Amino acid sequence: DTGVSQNPRHKITKRGQNVTFRCDPISEHNRLYWYRQTLGQGPEFLTYFQNEAQLEKSRLLSDRFSAERPKGSFSTLEIQRTEQGDSAMYLCASSPEGVGQETQYFGPGTRLLVL
Amino acid sequence: DAKTTQPTSMDCAEGRAANLPCNHSTISGNEYVYWYRQIHSQGPQYIIHGLKNNETNEMASLIITEDRKSSTLILPHATLRDTAVYYCIVRVAWGRDDKIIFGKGTRLHILP
Repeated sequence: DTGVSQNPRHKITKRGQNVTFRCDPISEHNRLYWYRQTLGQGPEFLTYFQNEAQLEKSRLLSDRFSAERPKGSFSTLEIQRTEQGDSAMYLCASSPEGVGQETQYFGPGTRLLVL
Repeated sequence: DAKTTQPTSMDCAEGRAANLPCNHSTISGNEYVYWYRQIHSQGPQYIIHGLKNNETNEMASLIITEDRKSSTLILPHATLRDTAVYYCIVRVAWGRDDKIIFGKGTRLHILP
């Protein structure tokens, strides 16, 4: 068990460019979550997958954002036409499927800077 | 909005016990208390959780009051590596609402 991994760890891009982040959850964890964290704030929920199904999306996930988990394993988060306000840490977490809510384990995050 | 209230920051001397309080006066009977911490530039790290009984693991102890309206996270022998932001969270024990709602947490400084 190597934990949740995220790539890249850092990304600098120019406004208007598209970026894609990848998250590899803990193996056999059915649930995968994306959060965003801006400076001085706690993480904010973006979206959640159970296997390949995207079950919930936050209002923070504008139409420029899209997340996929095509085979129920790794997930990608794409931001199109990036804006300076997209600069943040993007966090991924995973949890096993259980009867109730299970503990979420977080990856190290991808820090995005939009110039 | 977060359902918990925590002090903005706290200091603790290295080697002493760090006691981090959390108020969750509107907690429901089916909600757990969770604690995470976030060391600078890293992802949140799970510490401990409980429903109504006190809990202990290798990292910390969680003391929940009998009325469940508040709790305390105890780090028994704080080290410099425990300097982090500590988040107290309440989460529904079951159901489809699976997201974590974080507040701003408590910034704990361990002093040498």
